[in-house]
Amino acid sequence: AQSVTQLDSQVPVFEEAPVELRCNYSSSVSVYLFWYVQYPNQGLQLLLKYLSGSTLVKGINGFEAEFNKSQTSFHLRKPSVHISDTAEYFCAVVVAGSYQLTFGKGTKLSVIP
Amino acid sequence: DAGVIQSPRHEVTEMGQEVTLRCKPISGHDYLFWYRQTMMRGLELLIYFNNNVPIDDSGMPEDRFSAKMPNASFSTLKIQPSEPRDSAVYFCASSLRWELFFGEGSRLTVL
Repeated sequence: AQSVTQLDSQVPVFEEAPVELRCNYSSSVSVYLFWYVQYPNQGLQLLLKYLSGSTLVKGINGFEAEFNKSQTSFHLRKPSVHISDTAEYFCAVVVAGSYQLTFGKGTKLSVIP
Repeated sequence: DAGVIQSPRHEVTEMGQEVTLRCKPISGHDYLFWYRQTMMRGLELLIYFNNNVPIDDSGMPEDRFSAKMPNASFSTLKIQPSEPRDSAVYFCASSLRWELFFGEGSRLTVL
């Protein structure tokens, strides 16, 4: 079975600074990878996804992530964060051909003015 | 186009009462998922349906939990009897392929 580890439960960062949220997964078969964002009192919404092709994936709100198969990682990055990026971010993995996503525990990003 | 619609948004009930949570998925989506979110356990998949048929309910914690999808536009998650440890936010999500669209959740408090 696949699993997802988000190494940081909380990440504080100053406004306009870069940020990286880390995600590692374990699976013995091909996977698809996702990052979701959850704003307070809302459901999750998709930021970006990796299904195949280029390992650098660009998403909404200026976020991007890089799939690294050898390191089984899918870290999320943004070169300059805004106050509005304050939210919880979830990494998720699904075995190719399946529809059962496994989510990480989430990383709370706090952007400090 | 309307997103996934869940009701009620908030529910406060007493231990032992029956709770029914409702979900209307996005039209045309053939997968529907029920998740539970708590601080301690994060997001847990409870059950999911494909074309109204339950595919995997291994995440349903106990027999007190049941879910149905009588048609493509409606699903329910029922807890009977409810217990304080069931307090959580319950999310419904629907998808056509791998992109899940989540509702805003139903926050359940069992006293």
